[in-house]
Amino acid sequence: DADVTQTPRNRITKTGKRIMLECSQTKGHDRMYWYRQDPGLGLRLIYYSFDVKDINKGEISDGYSVSRQAQAKFSLSLESAIPNQTALYFCATSDPAAGQLSNTGELFFGEGSRLTVL
Amino acid sequence: AQSVTQLDSQVPVFEEAPVELRCNYSSSVSVYLFWYVQYPNQGLQLLLKYLSGSTLVESINGFEAEFNKSQTSFHLRKPSVHISDTAEYFCAVSEGTALIFGKGTTLSVSS
Repeated sequence: DADVTQTPRNRITKTGKRIMLECSQTKGHDRMYWYRQDPGLGLRLIYYSFDVKDINKGEISDGYSVSRQAQAKFSLSLESAIPNQTALYFCATSDPAAGQLSNTGELFFGEGSRLTVL
Repeated sequence: AQSVTQLDSQVPVFEEAPVELRCNYSSSVSVYLFWYVQYPNQGLQLLLKYLSGSTLVESINGFEAEFNKSQTSFHLRKPSVHISDTAEYFCAVSEGTALIFGKGTTLSVSS
């Protein structure tokens, strides 16, 4: 089984619908992230969380919300989906780099959730 | 804030040719650097990383990257590519709380 699991893997929805993407991990990491990938734009950070009581906005958080239900679970919601939210979404986990809490180390990614908003 | 620039969006090469994928980052006192690879229809996998120590880091499949502090670069190289190296490659820098990614370079290897 994958260490970082995302569901659903593919989803087609309509404008205005509420969508939730779920992520669970078995790596035991405290840090979890949601990124969005668009062609030619690379990966951009949406939200991140360092523990169940910690939620932080990333570069492109508008139109999204998250919930950290447990150390192992981090979900991303689109309250009212719009077509420009069509993208590939990745969940990732990490530990601090080289034991330094101030820096993030290697990210471990899920396989992605492809969302299409019509 | 950190930023990452991947200078080439697409790099086409023939099999067995050498390749260099360029990456520059904005200056910082200390920096951790990463290269990730994304094969078609798959997620991202770590290729190699620089945290400290030797400025030349290597991957298990023949890639290497050199951390150059004075030029703020972390270019990825391979002396002889294979068809199976066809993928998108992302350079990333650690900015405290998260990784900042470049826009990616698509490496296309043909025979």
